[in-house]
Amino acid sequence: GAGVSQSPSNKVTEKGKDVELRCDPISGHTALYWYRQSLGQGLEFLIYFQGNSAPDKSGLPSDRFSAERTGGSVSTLTIQRTQQEDSAVYLCASSLASGSYGYTFGSGTRLTVV
Amino acid sequence: EDQVTQSPEALRLQEGESSSLNCSYTVSGLRGLFWYRQDPGKGPEFLFTLYSAGEEKEKERLKATLTKKESFLHITAPKPEDSATYLCAVYRRGGATNKLIFGTGTLLAVQP
Repeated sequence: GAGVSQSPSNKVTEKGKDVELRCDPISGHTALYWYRQSLGQGLEFLIYFQGNSAPDKSGLPSDRFSAERTGGSVSTLTIQRTQQEDSAVYLCASSLASGSYGYTFGSGTRLTVV
Repeated sequence: EDQVTQSPEALRLQEGESSSLNCSYTVSGLRGLFWYRQDPGKGPEFLFTLYSAGEEKEKERLKATLTKKESFLHITAPKPEDSATYLCAVYRRGGATNKLIFGTGTLLAVQP
């Protein structure tokens, strides 16, 4: 597609439920990133996918968070047993292989855990 | 540890009042410094990339400059539509991940 597409744009969930966030990157971009943006905080790196290489999961805050990328394209970020501190905007970005030309971001998914 | 610090946290200007935003960084092996603009409810939008000290980039009322320790985003004669959060990020290549490290941003409000 023309841009990075994320869905849903907003998600309200009850504490303890699982949620799935979806990201559809720009066609031809081999690198895909998930970031989290909390109120008043900078963008926090979560996970990075590059082609068929093993993902870098070093930013995932706990084992309740996981992500996968199928066929080198669409990615899903899953949060199990959601907690109130998981409330944030989850941003997906994609880039050409090296990333040195910058990322293109989606509009994000605003997650609210009540 | 790699770090990006932006100042001020918030800035309020009158329309036409020029100013500068600062981004200071400590990173090993800088491969690029990026400026993004973020409007409420949207993802960051790319503005500029700077790769080496002394480099400058311009776009409309915005000009970005880079030294070995910091970058400035100069805003000349701003308009209300320039109101947004401006994010600075550094790209460091090396280790397991090539990723952008972001500052917390400067919230700019331009009043008519």
